[in-house]
Amino acid sequence: DAGVIQSPRHEVTEMGQEVTLRCKPISGHDYLFWYRQTMMRGLELLIYFNNNVPIDDSGMPEDRFSAKMPNASFSTLKIQPSEPRDSAVYFCASSPVGQETQYFGPGTRLLVL
Amino acid sequence: GEDVEQSLFLSVREGDSSVINCTYTDSSSTYLYWYKQEPGAGLQLLTYIFSNMDMKQDQRLTVLLNKKDKHLSLRIADTQTGDSAIYFCAEGNTGTASKLTFGTGTRLQVTL
Repeated sequence: DAGVIQSPRHEVTEMGQEVTLRCKPISGHDYLFWYRQTMMRGLELLIYFNNNVPIDDSGMPEDRFSAKMPNASFSTLKIQPSEPRDSAVYFCASSPVGQETQYFGPGTRLLVL
Repeated sequence: GEDVEQSLFLSVREGDSSVINCTYTDSSSTYLYWYKQEPGAGLQLLTYIFSNMDMKQDQRLTVLLNKKDKHLSLRIADTQTGDSAIYFCAEGNTGTASKLTFGTGTRLQVTL
């Protein structure tokens, strides 16, 4: 398996623009997690899904952030409008039922100017 | 809420042992994890321990858990330059289905 796939790997945009980050979990995994990593706040869980259903979105910082999982093999995290403080590395992770681990993607490095 | 704390930086010489420490606050944690993050990469699970265990060994890695003090440590024997990375401690309540709370990460620097 190719592991968790994220795209794009790097994104540079201007303040006010819409940003869409994409994730393809490992096939057969039932759980999908979105994290944000910054120097100041470390690694934060934004939202996670079980069988495509959002279970906990309490980590989503504001209404500007939204996440969807239309099917078992695809999820998006959207920021609209983006702000400079959204600059971070965004990770997607997936996990199968019955295993005590989350498999992380390589991350998307977002810079909002 | 849950809190996981780690020191930010550790420097060791190649061949020495490294000990990375972590404290957590959630007494109901059932799993405690160590993840490794190399530059430009995502987090990779190194090892985990159930809360009813006090030690787990896996090749060069030894995990010690003091549940009373809510203290977790990761010992890396014979540290190599390839071990240079950021190490994250994390805790969870129900394994895979849980929200993992991560520490701030400890940057391990291995010098020659």
